[in-house]
Amino acid sequence: AQSVTQLDSHVSVSEGTPVLLRCNYSSSYSPSLFWYVQHPNKGLQLLLKYTSAATLVKGINGFEAEFKKSETSFHLTKPSAHMSDAAEYFCVVEDDKIIFGKGTRLHILP
Amino acid sequence: SAVISQKPSRDICQRGTSLTIQCQVDSQVTMMFWYRQQPGQSLTLIATANQGSEATYESGFVIDKFPISRPNLTFSTLTVSNMSPEDSSIYLCSVGRDGSYTFGSGTRLTVV
Repeated sequence: AQSVTQLDSHVSVSEGTPVLLRCNYSSSYSPSLFWYVQHPNKGLQLLLKYTSAATLVKGINGFEAEFKKSETSFHLTKPSAHMSDAAEYFCVVEDDKIIFGKGTRLHILP
Repeated sequence: SAVISQKPSRDICQRGTSLTIQCQVDSQVTMMFWYRQQPGQSLTLIATANQGSEATYESGFVIDKFPISRPNLTFSTLTVSNMSPEDSSIYLCSVGRDGSYTFGSGTRLTVV
């Protein structure tokens, strides 16, 4: 059965420093993986997706994620955090169904 | 990507009543998905709705509580029936296209 684990419920970084949001998955097949962002009182927005092409995926707003099959990971990174990045981030795996991680709330410190 | 119009955006309802949420998509899609996001929680899939057949419900969700209609390839409704305060959540619809998923803006339901 597929599952997705976001290892941190909250992450705090200072503005201008790197961001790392961790995600591990399990799947019977070669899954599709996504990161979505949800700003307060806003809808879900797709940041990026992995669908078995390049393992390093670049998304919007400077975010990227690397698919590592050996580690069953799909961590989200950004070189330099901005105040507007403060939001809830969801790692999502699509196998035979769509499963959302529990989310990581990213806090940006001035 | 698809554009979804979901309404109502929010509602406050009395316990024991029902609320129907509508999602309209700007293009034809085979499957539509309905999710629940409880306060401070992640999204949980309620059911998958195909046009012309009964919706497929996930474990813990039943048709009597969450009846779904899918009359055509651009529209679906989810009804939350006989509501209780525990049904207070955000409900979202979603469609898949081009390898990714688009979500409606959500319906914030408060049951009092």
